[in-house]
Amino acid sequence: AQSVTQPDIHITVSEGASLELRCNYSYGATPYLFWYVQSPGQGLQLLLKYFSGDTLVQGIKGFEAEFKRSQSSFNLRKPSVHWSDAAEYFCAVSNQAGTALIFGKGTTLSVSS
Amino acid sequence: NAGVMQNPRHLVRRRGQEARLRCSPMKGHSHVYWYRQLPEEGLKFMVYLQKENIIDESGMPKERFSAEFPKEGPSILRIQQVVRGDSAAYFCASSPDGTTNEKLFFGSGTQLSVL
Repeated sequence: AQSVTQPDIHITVSEGASLELRCNYSYGATPYLFWYVQSPGQGLQLLLKYFSGDTLVQGIKGFEAEFKRSQSSFNLRKPSVHWSDAAEYFCAVSNQAGTALIFGKGTTLSVSS
Repeated sequence: NAGVMQNPRHLVRRRGQEARLRCSPMKGHSHVYWYRQLPEEGLKFMVYLQKENIIDESGMPKERFSAEFPKEGPSILRIQQVVRGDSAAYFCASSPDGTTNEKLFFGSGTQLSVL
């Protein structure tokens, strides 16, 4: 069955520290992978996506993610976290045809000063 | 997120009432997707519509739920005879075509509370 797992429900990081959010997927076909961020009371904003090519992708707000096919992972990273990064982060997968996204349950990021 | 408009932002209904959620896609977008987010869960796909057509409704409950996207006007997600389990955030997303999720934009959602 197709699924996305985000093992960490809640992570707290000190401002200025590095961040890594984990995402593992199970998908039969070639996956299209996404990371979205959701601030309280807001919709989802696309941070970055991976379709093909270079396995290290850059996104907005200084985020990057690395696709590792052998590990079925697509972890999100940021070298230095800002207080404004506190939000909920969702990993998602879909197929090439742009049909339904399958989302993980999300990771809530808190940033301490 | 700018451009995909959902209303109302918050909707309170009593058990047995009907809920109507509206979604106006971004300008130039003719494909609409509805997702539901239950508490402490990720978003779950419900239905995918193109103008006047339902393309994929595999994620929508068979009873009480319906969706439409008429030629003119917003897309409507309709829930009849709501129950407490329908309480959730409902998100709409739109794209200019159905070939990729690269150009998918989400609205801010409607929070449905059933008393």
